[in-house]
Amino acid sequence: NAGVTQTPKFQVLKTGQSMTLQCAQDMNHNSMYWYRQDPGMGLRLIYYSASEGTTDKGEVPNGYNVSRLNKREFSLRLESAAPSQTSVYFCASRGTSSTHKNIQYFGAGTRLSVL
Amino acid sequence: EDQVTQSPEALRLQEGESSSLNCSYTVSGLRGLFWYRQDPGKGPEFLFTLYSAGEEKEKERLKATLTKKESFLHITAPKPEDSATYLCAVQASGGSNYKLTFGKGTLLTVNP
Repeated sequence: NAGVTQTPKFQVLKTGQSMTLQCAQDMNHNSMYWYRQDPGMGLRLIYYSASEGTTDKGEVPNGYNVSRLNKREFSLRLESAAPSQTSVYFCASRGTSSTHKNIQYFGAGTRLSVL
Repeated sequence: EDQVTQSPEALRLQEGESSSLNCSYTVSGLRGLFWYRQDPGKGPEFLFTLYSAGEEKEKERLKATLTKKESFLHITAPKPEDSATYLCAVQASGGSNYKLTFGKGTLLTVNP
């Protein structure tokens, strides 16, 4: 069972370049989330999608866009990367069954450096 | 605004030396408090969910407890493989986003 899969694992960009971080889950979860993790800052929510067809801003949405492509996939796009976006990005999906109620399951992360 | 504060920032233990990690929180209404473990270069791995004051959960050498203001993660007779960053997060009641607010984590090192 793969769970939450993120691609790529590592990426180096130059300032101003664009890229899309991909996330897919195979647990049939409705809700998906994008977080960034920076030293000394903890995990902060960028965007989330409560269900297929809906997206909403989190705590730090500036400079990012998202697309909920279908129930499985939720992508994060940087249109014009800036050094301040150097971070580790995590995707998560939320369980809804009685056993896994409200638990968010995380992918392995994408480590992004913007030079 | 929901807030989570974890202490200490870092903790170094000898193998077998029991201790506790603290998570203090402020939230308008608590839907759930979550503990995760994160190994270097990996994503957070779910450990426990606590829903109401007085609740306790255990898994191997770990035991999580919850009061109305804080949660503790007790580690009994730790082993080197327990070394990791432990993250605490709260989920506020109300709304439909079920988002988590995380603390900055406690880096635990267990020396053999």
